Amino acid sequence: GAGVSQSPSNKVTEKGKDVELRCDPISGHTALYWYRQSLGQGLEFLIYFQGNSAPDKSGLPSDRFSAERTGGSVSTLTIQRTQQEDSAVYLCASSLQVRGEQFFGPGTRLTVL
Amino acid sequence: AQSVTQPDIHITVSEGASLELRCNYSYGATPYLFWYVQSPGQGLQLLLKYFSGDTLVQGIKGFEAEFKRSQSSFNLRKPSVHWSDAAEYFCAVVKQAGTALIFGKGTTLSVSS
Repeated sequence: GAGVSQSPSNKVTEKGKDVELRCDPISGHTALYWYRQSLGQGLEFLIYFQGNSAPDKSGLPSDRFSAERTGGSVSTLTIQRTQQEDSAVYLCASSLQVRGEQFFGPGTRLTVL
Repeated sequence: AQSVTQPDIHITVSEGASLELRCNYSYGATPYLFWYVQSPGQGLQLLLKYFSGDTLVQGIKGFEAEFKRSQSSFNLRKPSVHWSDAAEYFCAVVKQAGTALIFGKGTTLSVSS
C-alpha cells in the first residue's frame, strides 16, 4: 500500500526556466489536490482534480501555473518562467471520496535562484 | 471569506504536561474540520477529523479535539505530551463551495524536558 509519491524531492532552477513537478496519488483515489507551502503564506490550495478534470483552479496564483492529470492517476504541475517567489514546497494530496480525508505526499522543495 | 485562525504561533510544553492547541474557523454551515501534524522534513499526517455527530473526536497518538459550534472552535488536546510530539500542527476546514482544504498558519510545538 504505497502512499502518495512526488518527484523530484528537491528541484533547484534558475529564474525564468520552466519546471515540472510530478505527483502519483494513492491507487484508486479519484480526487487529487496540489498545495503550496511557503514561509510567508503558509499552506495554500492551488488546484483540485476529480478524475482528469479540474473543477477548482481558483488557487493557481498566475497563468504561469498549470496542471494536468492523465488516466485519472498521475498529475503534473508545471510552472513556466519561474520567479523567486515561486520558491516553496509543493505538496500533493489525494482522497478516495470528495471531502474525505486527504493523504499528503512528502512534497517537492522548489528553489528558484 | 472562510478562514482558519490558530492564535498561537509557538507553544512550549514540558514533557508529561497537558496540551491544548487552539483553532477557530469562520464557516457558513456545518464544517468538515481536520487537524494535521507535520514533523521536520516530513509530510502532513492526519491526526483526526470531524464531519458530524459526537463533538469530541479521538485521533491517533493520543490526541483528541472538541468541536464547539457556539465558539466556532476545534481545539486539539493531549493529556500528556511526549518529546516526540514536537512538530508543527495545522488546523484545516474544507472549503464551503468545494473540496479543498483551507489551513491555519500552524502552531509549532516545542517540548521541554
